[in-house]
Amino acid sequence: DADVTQTPRNRITKTGKRIMLECSQTKGHDRMYWYRQDPGLGLRLIYYSFDVKDINKGEISDGYSVSRQAQAKFSLSLESAIPNQTALYFCATSDLGDLVDTQYFGPGTRLTVL
Amino acid sequence: AQKVTQAQTEISVVEKEDVTLDCVYETRDTTYYLFWYKQPPSGELVFLIRRNSFDEQNEISGRYSWNFQKSTSSFNFTITASQVVDSAVYFCALSGTNFGNEKLTFGTGTRLTIIP
Repeated sequence: DADVTQTPRNRITKTGKRIMLECSQTKGHDRMYWYRQDPGLGLRLIYYSFDVKDINKGEISDGYSVSRQAQAKFSLSLESAIPNQTALYFCATSDLGDLVDTQYFGPGTRLTVL
Repeated sequence: AQKVTQAQTEISVVEKEDVTLDCVYETRDTTYYLFWYKQPPSGELVFLIRRNSFDEQNEISGRYSWNFQKSTSSFNFTITASQVVDSAVYFCALSGTNFGNEKLTFGTGTRLTIIP
């Protein structure tokens, strides 16, 4: 089984809908991240969490919110989806005990907002 | 602020040729880490290598090699005798080591196509 899983893998929704993307990990890592990938822009950090009680905004947090329900679960919500949030979304994890922030990524969720 | 530049947007080479992907970075940290990730057509991101700023030795792993040069702030990736399976988007990334500055900064990626 994969160490970092994301659900759903693909989602098509309409403008104004609330969407939740979920991420689970079995790696036992403390740190979790949400990124979006757009063509030509690479990966940009949306939110990150260093432990269950810690939530931090990343580079592009507007229009998104997150919830760290447990060490192993980190959800990303779009309260009212808009078309420019169409992108590939990645969850990643890393180990607080590792001085180097080597991040391991989930398979991605392709979101389309019509 | 940290920045990673991958000036090559797309590269195409014929199978068995060698190819080098360039990565130039900017950071004010004295200690930092550099990474390469591979994104094959299936979409997942695969970790390839991590390099400490104190270690400028080149690294070789099979057909892959990495050339880290602090003097030019570059961390280039070479694939020798390329294969079709090497076709992917490759991302270079940078992180600091000070608490709160460990987040990864990614380049925009280089799409590599290996022509059979």
